[in-house]
Amino acid sequence: DGGITQSPKYLFRKEGQNVTLSCEQNLNHDAMYWYRQDPGQGLRLIYYSQIVNDFQKGDIAEGYSVSREKKESFPLTVTSAQKNPTAFYLCASTPFQGNTGELFFGEGSRLTVL
Amino acid sequence: SQQGEEDPQALSIQEGENATMNCSYKTSINNLQWYRQNSGRGLVHLILIRSNEREKHSGRLRVTLDTSKKSSSLLITASRAADTASYFCATRPGGGADGLTFGKGTHLIIQP
Repeated sequence: DGGITQSPKYLFRKEGQNVTLSCEQNLNHDAMYWYRQDPGQGLRLIYYSQIVNDFQKGDIAEGYSVSREKKESFPLTVTSAQKNPTAFYLCASTPFQGNTGELFFGEGSRLTVL
Repeated sequence: SQQGEEDPQALSIQEGENATMNCSYKTSINNLQWYRQNSGRGLVHLILIRSNEREKHSGRLRVTLDTSKKSSSLLITASRAADTASYFCATRPGGGADGLTFGKGTHLIIQP
């Protein structure tokens, strides 16, 4: 089945630690996105990548980093510089650069900082 | 920044009734999309309406778009318990190729 796989589904982290969330897609999509969702809130864009080896900051990139070494993979690192990292993180993709159609989402990763 | 704002924030109705939720946005758009999110899950695309369309149907869903008022509505007819979820509208401000901008959503509860 084609889709987006995020892992882990639940993650606990101590303050001061970096953590990396995985996002893999087998849809052959060029563009990939990371969103953050806080309780009762909408989604806010962290980073996006429209092509391999290129990515852009979204609205709330501070304290996060990404890489796009392969078309199918777009991992997100939540660094210790992120002040309020506890949130639900969603990865999404869309077929090609400039596409104005729908986003395809993974099932999310819930990060809790202890 | 939040482009879309849904209204109401929460809605509770009886099974079988119709549910209407609204979305307002701020800048010009190429299209407006509606997504559904079940609790603790990812978002699922429901329907897309282009800026030159006024109404679109998909099954029990009916979406309207009024670009002069920068607003859209989503109507779910003959609601079912399985429709209980949060519903979000989304746009790309300026029609660019970066990510969609989402509102805060309407939480819909269908009472059996």
